[in-house]
Amino acid sequence: GENVEQHPSTLSVQEGDSAVIKCTYSDSASNYFPWYKQELGKRPQLIIDIRSNVGEKKDQRIAVTLNKTAKHFSLHITETQPEDSAVYFCAAEGTASKLTFGTGTRLQVTL
Amino acid sequence: DTEVTQTPKHLVMGMTNKKSLKCEQHMGHRAMYWYKQKAKKPPELMFVYSYEKLSINESVPSRFSPECPNSSLLNLHLHALQPEDSALYLCASSVESGNYEQYFGPGTRLTVT
Repeated sequence: GENVEQHPSTLSVQEGDSAVIKCTYSDSASNYFPWYKQELGKRPQLIIDIRSNVGEKKDQRIAVTLNKTAKHFSLHITETQPEDSAVYFCAAEGTASKLTFGTGTRLQVTL
Repeated sequence: DTEVTQTPKHLVMGMTNKKSLKCEQHMGHRAMYWYKQKAKKPPELMFVYSYEKLSINESVPSRFSPECPNSSLLNLHLHALQPEDSALYLCASSVESGNYEQYFGPGTRLTVT
């Protein structure tokens, strides 16, 4: 089955700096890669997703890049704000229509 | 209505009890999911329903029994649970199964005593 690795497990940045979270996946048939943000005690919420026919996608301060050959994808957050502090999960979905999550990154944005 | 709702928010049950978790969506989605999330861990898929039929069962113990009475409603029946089953149970839905955004409910925090 699919295996998704995510790094780093924790990330602390100063407000205004950029944050980068990286994931690798094992199933070359995977073709959908969402990123979820989960604040403490809340539900996971989709912040951006990318499909395998696209190499990069951007939405305001958030961007995701995908390298299908290397089987890795990354989340980039620019101009971080305190409200960006949360746990971020990458995920990959393949032909089995099953979403497999990475282990999560706890992002702390300090003033 | 663009939300997935779940009841109850919290549930405490003994190992001999029978209880049910309920999930509802009115977005016309035809795929619904149950996930289990332990503290500081990612959600783990348990079941997938597609067009009201069970399409994926991730080898979940039979003490968890899912049910999809109609396209808007998903239940998870619980019986003879173990303390290690204590977790946050998340429901999600998507337009269809396969490469569509999944919308999560707020979850039911289950404690088994």
